[in-house]
Amino acid sequence: EVQLVESGGGLVQPGGSLRLSCEVSGFTFSSYWMHWVRQAPGKGLVWVSRINSDATDSDYADSVKGRFTISRDNARNTLYLQMNSLRDEDTALYYCARDGFGFAFAYWGQGVLFSVSS
Amino acid sequence: QSALTQPASVSGSPGQSITISCTGTNSDVGGYNYVSWYQQHPGKAPRLMISEVSNRPSGVSIRFSGSKSDNTASLTISGLQAEDEADYYCSSYTSSGTLVFGGGTRLTVL
Repeated sequence: EVQLVESGGGLVQPGGSLRLSCEVSGFTFSSYWMHWVRQAPGKGLVWVSRINSDATDSDYADSVKGRFTISRDNARNTLYLQMNSLRDEDTALYYCARDGFGFAFAYWGQGVLFSVSS
Repeated sequence: QSALTQPASVSGSPGQSITISCTGTNSDVGGYNYVSWYQQHPGKAPRLMISEVSNRPSGVSIRFSGSKSDNTASLTISGLQAEDEADYYCSSYTSSGTLVFGGGTRLTVL
């Protein structure tokens, strides 16, 4: 059974940093591109970042470029999102998702929530 | 990258058909056949309903279908059922190598 489990949420002050993790099981992690998608409370889905299977390439939404870093440890079956210089508008539920083909996400985690607030 | 444009809400009665549109540009929806549709019930993670414009993943009801014309993709749900009431999001690969979602559509089954 494919599982994605996010962790690392909480409350952070503006300007602070946080690292989210997504531990996966049930599939060969090193074979798949992975993504982070966020959803602010009561709002829609927003794509955040993606990383290719061997971590040699990544990309980011303009809203987080230069502040967030996606990475992965294929030996630990874990995806990460390092978030720095956090802003109020980064408050959201963050999902990790497995890419299938053509950026279609058949598998999602349950989401991890964090809030940026002073 | 601007969000794809979806109607904020649509509604229909049980048994009816509804269509949700998703309008983008030549740089996303119109340029690639990598449009997906997701269903999201309150408090749940999104569920993939359609990939690559019109492909239905295993386990998704045949009542769900997708299409595309120029810069607009569409999701049609036929034979509406109460459990179809949810938020629906489209997404598209973009010429920048990124992904963009639509703003979401709330489907109400009357």
